[in-house]
Amino acid sequence: GAGVSQSPSNKVTEKGKDVELRCDPISGHTALYWYRQSLGQGLEFLIYFQGNSAPDKSGLPSDRFSAERTGGSVSTLTIQRTQQEDSAVYLCASIQNLNTEAFFGQGTRLTVV
Amino acid sequence: GQNIDQPTEMTATEGAIVQINCTYQTSGFNGLFWYQQHAGEAPTFLSYNVLDGLEEKGRFSSFLSRSKGYSYLLLKELQMKDSASYLCAVRPGGNYGQNFVFGPGTRLSVLP
Repeated sequence: GAGVSQSPSNKVTEKGKDVELRCDPISGHTALYWYRQSLGQGLEFLIYFQGNSAPDKSGLPSDRFSAERTGGSVSTLTIQRTQQEDSAVYLCASIQNLNTEAFFGQGTRLTVV
Repeated sequence: GQNIDQPTEMTATEGAIVQINCTYQTSGFNGLFWYQQHAGEAPTFLSYNVLDGLEEKGRFSSFLSRSKGYSYLLLKELQMKDSASYLCAVRPGGNYGQNFVFGPGTRLSVLP
């Protein structure tokens, strides 16, 4: 696609429910990243994929968070049993190769009530 | 661990020049990036430095000193639309592969 696409753009969910966030990277981009940004804060690294494997998942805050990438393309970030502290904007980015910049999607704003 | 520091907030006047500093301590170095993020929007790429020196791109320039673990972003002829957060990010490389580590961001307010 022309850019990184994320869906949904907004999600309101009840505490304790599971949510699934989707990222569709730029076609041909090899690496894909998930970040979380709370209001007025910097970007918190969650996980990144090289192809379908995740060399670094050290940023996942708890075992309620998981992510997968299939076909070297679309990725889903799943949060189980959501908590209010999970409320944030979840940003996805992709890069073409090692020496290029990351392109970001518009993010999913998650609100847990 | 990886650590990147930036000032939290800066204020400047329209038409002026502002310099936003970034210092980093990372396990390795494979490039430094600057991004601009307007409120409620996604970050957009501004500049990339991997060698020491100054990279100029229109009103924006970025400088890198690898020996000092230091970079700055220079914005000239400030415009109101430059009011945004500016994020410094380092790619440590090595065992961190293609990961990016972001600083906390500097919120710049441009006043008339």
